[in-house]
Amino acid sequence: AQSVTQLDSQVPVFEEAPVELRCNYSSSVSVYLFWYVQYPNQGLQLLLKYLSGSTLVKGINGFEAEFNKSQTSFHLRKPSVHISDTAEYFCAVREGGSEKLVFGKGTKLTVNP
Amino acid sequence: DTAVSQTPKYLVTQMGNDKSIKCEQNLGHDTMYWYKQDSKKFLKIMFSYNNKELIINETVPNRFSPKSPDKAHLNLHINSLELGDSAVYFCASSQVLAGASDTQYFGPGTRLTVL
Repeated sequence: AQSVTQLDSQVPVFEEAPVELRCNYSSSVSVYLFWYVQYPNQGLQLLLKYLSGSTLVKGINGFEAEFNKSQTSFHLRKPSVHISDTAEYFCAVREGGSEKLVFGKGTKLTVNP
Repeated sequence: DTAVSQTPKYLVTQMGNDKSIKCEQNLGHDTMYWYKQDSKKFLKIMFSYNNKELIINETVPNRFSPKSPDKAHLNLHINSLELGDSAVYFCASSQVLAGASDTQYFGPGTRLTVL
């Protein structure tokens, strides 16, 4: 069964600094990978997804993620963060042929002025 | 227009009561889901319906019963509410059941507090 590990529960950064939120997964079959963002008191919004093809995926709000099959990772990056990026970020994985989306425990990104 | 909507947004109730949460999607999707997010923000799937048919039923107490009157609606009924049911419940929908492109779209959530 697939599982997702988000290595950092909290990441504080200063505005305009780069950030990387780490995500590792375990699965014995092909996977589809997602990053969702949850702003305070709101639902989840899709940031980006990897289905196939290029391992570097670009999403909304300047975020990107790179799929690394050998390291079973799908880390999320942004070169320069804004205060408005403060939110909870969730990595999720779905195995090919499975209906279930399995989420990591989330990383709280706090951007300070 | 809201793609996935849930009512109510907040629900405060006493232990032992029965309550329902409603979900509607206007995206024309075939599949709908219920997730529970606990106090530590951990999200876990509870149920999934495809065209009104139950396809995912995780280890959830029998007190939780999903009902899908049509493919645009998936309601969650909870009997005999317990303190541990306090959480945020999210509804979601997607276009294709197990296809590669089924991004799940989430509703705004319902915060349930059991006193």
